[in-house]
Amino acid sequence: GAVVSQHPSWVICKSGTSVKIECRSLDFQATTMFWYRQFPKQSLMLMATSNEGSKATYEQGVEKDKFLINHASLTLSTLTVTSAHPEDSSFYICSARDRSVHTIYFGEGSWLTVV
Amino acid sequence: QQQVKQSPQSLIVQKGGISIINCAYENTAFDYFPWYQQFPGKGPALLIAIRPDVSEKKEGRFTISFNKSAKQFSLHIMDSQPGDSATYFCAASNSNSGYALNFGKGTSLLVTP
Repeated sequence: GAVVSQHPSWVICKSGTSVKIECRSLDFQATTMFWYRQFPKQSLMLMATSNEGSKATYEQGVEKDKFLINHASLTLSTLTVTSAHPEDSSFYICSARDRSVHTIYFGEGSWLTVV
Repeated sequence: QQQVKQSPQSLIVQKGGISIINCAYENTAFDYFPWYQQFPGKGPALLIAIRPDVSEKKEGRFTISFNKSAKQFSLHIMDSQPGDSATYFCAASNSNSGYALNFGKGTSLLVTP
């Protein structure tokens, strides 16, 4: 079946540094990818919609300058958390839409810990 | 604003029993209703999905029932097993507004031996 790969699975970074998370669709082309944030025992919160070749659409309250999203190819979207702070520590999950089957698949998620 | 309301928040079912999770929505423009299963520390995995042109879809032990007039849909897990213990999320999206999924708050299912 379709697979969405997310890397890294977990990362620890120092406050003030930036960290990049990659999301790849492995066996289908994804013109649209989505980035979510999830806190423990809570639902997924949509951060932004990433469209290949154009600017991402951010949800209300999400700082676009802090969470940089790039979708340079049909199989890769990246989320960069800039100038990370401890409150940015969270589980970040991407998803990708397979147009051919009208289905959205999720990656395994990335745990970010900012110390 | 929660566009998809999910209940119950938690559910305990004995092995072999039927687990039922319900969701309701308001936006009649939604045209895709998936259910996801999530284990701790993992990303959500697509279980089953339905579109509003059918009232029921079955895949193995998992069945979605869809009531368009009531704007409700539910997940039934037949012959529930301890391995089904996980958090389940219903979701809905609109193909005319980017397909972004609106998630329910999740149901924590525990299947006891």
